[in-house]
Amino acid sequence: LAKTTQPISMDSYEGQEVNITCSHNNIATNDYITWYQQFPSQGPRFIIQGYKTKVTNEVASLFIPADRKSSTLSLPRVSLSDTAVYYCLVGAHYNTDKLIFGTGTRLQVFP
Amino acid sequence: DSGVTQTPKHLITATGQRVTLRCSPRSGDLSVYWYQQSLDQGLQFLIQYYNGEERAKGNILERFSAQQFPDLHSELNLSSLELGDSALYFCASSGQLGETQYFGPGTRLLVL
Repeated sequence: LAKTTQPISMDSYEGQEVNITCSHNNIATNDYITWYQQFPSQGPRFIIQGYKTKVTNEVASLFIPADRKSSTLSLPRVSLSDTAVYYCLVGAHYNTDKLIFGTGTRLQVFP
Repeated sequence: DSGVTQTPKHLITATGQRVTLRCSPRSGDLSVYWYQQSLDQGLQFLIQYYNGEERAKGNILERFSAQQFPDLHSELNLSSLELGDSALYFCASSGQLGETQYFGPGTRLLVL
């Protein structure tokens, strides 16, 4: 699975938009990009997945440029409850038998 | 609530002992995955079962073993426990291979 690089931590304030960028320079043609969220002492929770361009759901948006060597998770108008660790994972959708988690990005939202 | 259940939530035991962690996947999911999360290692994939058969192995120690039963629930057995085995153990499930994995709440193991 492609190696990913994310910022270790980010700070934000309630109501702001947060963008977390993930680098995956050696992404393969068949690889998808998936983001998980994890609260302390809880299991990771699937947020969003995409292959190219832009994907949006009720929780977040995922922006993927044409070269797919990076991706940006966008969280609109964050609240205190968005304080968590966010993981970016890259792998082939049909072959993602094991998720390889990096260190993730620890997002702290302040009032 | 992901629909994946794990028991027990907490487990305290002594070095050298053996414990069994249980996981029930989401209804209809055939794949079960086990992960270990410790402070210094992050989330590590241990092993995967698909419809009762072992499919993939990760960084699972020989002292650890797992199985998936006909009703699709899975158990992770940890033996000859060491202090370093203290961690959160997560189970995840998915419908088909490669589909989104849904994680359970985890079992926190403390080895004293």
